[in-house]
Amino acid sequence: DIVLTQSPGTLSLSPGERATLSCRASQSVSSRYLVWYQQKPGQSPRLLIYGASSRATGIPDRFSGSGSGTDFTLTISRLEPEDFAVYYCQQYGSSLTFGGGTKVEIK
Amino acid sequence: QVQLRESGPGLVKPSQTLSLTCTVSGGSISSGTYYWSWIRQPAGKGLEWIGRIYPSGGTYYNPSLRSRLTISVDTSKNQFSLKLSSVTAADTAVYYCARDFSNNGLGYYFGMDVWGQGTTVTVSS
Repeated sequence: DIVLTQSPGTLSLSPGERATLSCRASQSVSSRYLVWYQQKPGQSPRLLIYGASSRATGIPDRFSGSGSGTDFTLTISRLEPEDFAVYYCQQYGSSLTFGGGTKVEIK
Repeated sequence: QVQLRESGPGLVKPSQTLSLTCTVSGGSISSGTYYWSWIRQPAGKGLEWIGRIYPSGGTYYNPSLRSRLTISVDTSKNQFSLKLSSVTAADTAVYYCARDFSNNGLGYYFGMDVWGQGTTVTVSS
């Protein structure tokens, strides 16, 4: 199986700052198969990005995804209070696996 | 608007079988090209994909769970189900069902766009 490693484990930032989250795969993943989710405490995950860079319906444009091969990035251009959450990457290809998550917390 | 709801026992004894059902409302489980997935999350930990089913045929399981897992669909009830046998405390988690969309012809995966609220299952005697 493809292992996804997310870094950092925790990102401490202030509202208005830029967040850059990394997702590294143990082997190459098609960008068409790379997805990002947001999960807030006590809630189900929410789809943010599919195809590595396409925003899901209703997702604000401050969220953007990029990358290819084994390195993918989720960027939040300016953090809003509601963006503090845990973010997961996920790949579909060799089975289906999630990364371990990055928590974005208020500094 | 499609909604999903998980149901089933919240407490299962070790070595027994965990059984959950996901009821789909607001749309037909057998329409379109959607798969239907199960995912779980132990308290304070990350997400683990369990498996998925395509109503027209085809189940796909996490290799680490395959020997204990059965996912099935009942299109007449607009439901899909999970059975996980020989459970241990390590199977204690919040279990989610989700709608899952991939277009294998195009070679594209669109992710899990609709999720249930999750149901907590504890394995304990």
